[in-house]
Amino acid sequence: AQKVTQAQTEISVVEKEDVTLDCVYETRDTTYYLFWYKQPPSGELVFLIRRNSFDEQNEISGRYSWNFQKSTSSFNFTITASQVVDSAVYFCALSLDYGGYQKVTFGTGTKLQVIP
Amino acid sequence: EAQVTQNPRYLITVTGKKLTVTCSQNMNHEYMSWYRQDPGLGLRQIYYSMNVEVTDKGDVPEGYKVSRKEKRNFPLILESPSPNQTSLYFCASSPQGSYNEQFFGPGTRLTVL
Repeated sequence: AQKVTQAQTEISVVEKEDVTLDCVYETRDTTYYLFWYKQPPSGELVFLIRRNSFDEQNEISGRYSWNFQKSTSSFNFTITASQVVDSAVYFCALSLDYGGYQKVTFGTGTKLQVIP
Repeated sequence: EAQVTQNPRYLITVTGKKLTVTCSQNMNHEYMSWYRQDPGLGLRQIYYSMNVEVTDKGDVPEGYKVSRKEKRNFPLILESPSPNQTSLYFCASSPQGSYNEQFFGPGTRLTVL
């Protein structure tokens, strides 16, 4: 069975602070993909990044960075110099091929509030 | 414009009255899925479909039905809705392959009284 844990339910930071959202996953498969999605207050779900299980390189995109560590089964997301527009619910997800089917499991999400 | 559409966006109904939430995508995606979002529980998969006429249960399928007669459409059917099915529902699609990100519809807010 696969599982994604986002232990931080809600986080509040003051604008310009850095913040890290944690994601811990469980799977016995060696090939899998990890994702982060953003859900702003308007409600839509937006894809942010994908990582495959064989690529542990960290990635940076502007103020966003992702740290993937297989040794700790974690795929953490850091926002540097947070802005009010970063306020959203962020979901981590695990995707793998399961007996010919595609299985996707989401975490429970972390609600980030950036206070001006 | 590439998109996933859902209808209706908002629905208030009563216990036991059958309803269907439609989902349509124009990206020729093989994979489609339904999720429900509840506070503290995140997104939970209800049903998914790998292609036409191929569907399977997700994590919370009880009380729901789906069908996939055409590639672009994946309706969610609640034959006898109950108050515990009050939730925010999302349809999603993607090309086949677990490495693909999902494209989500705008969501359907369902209230069952």
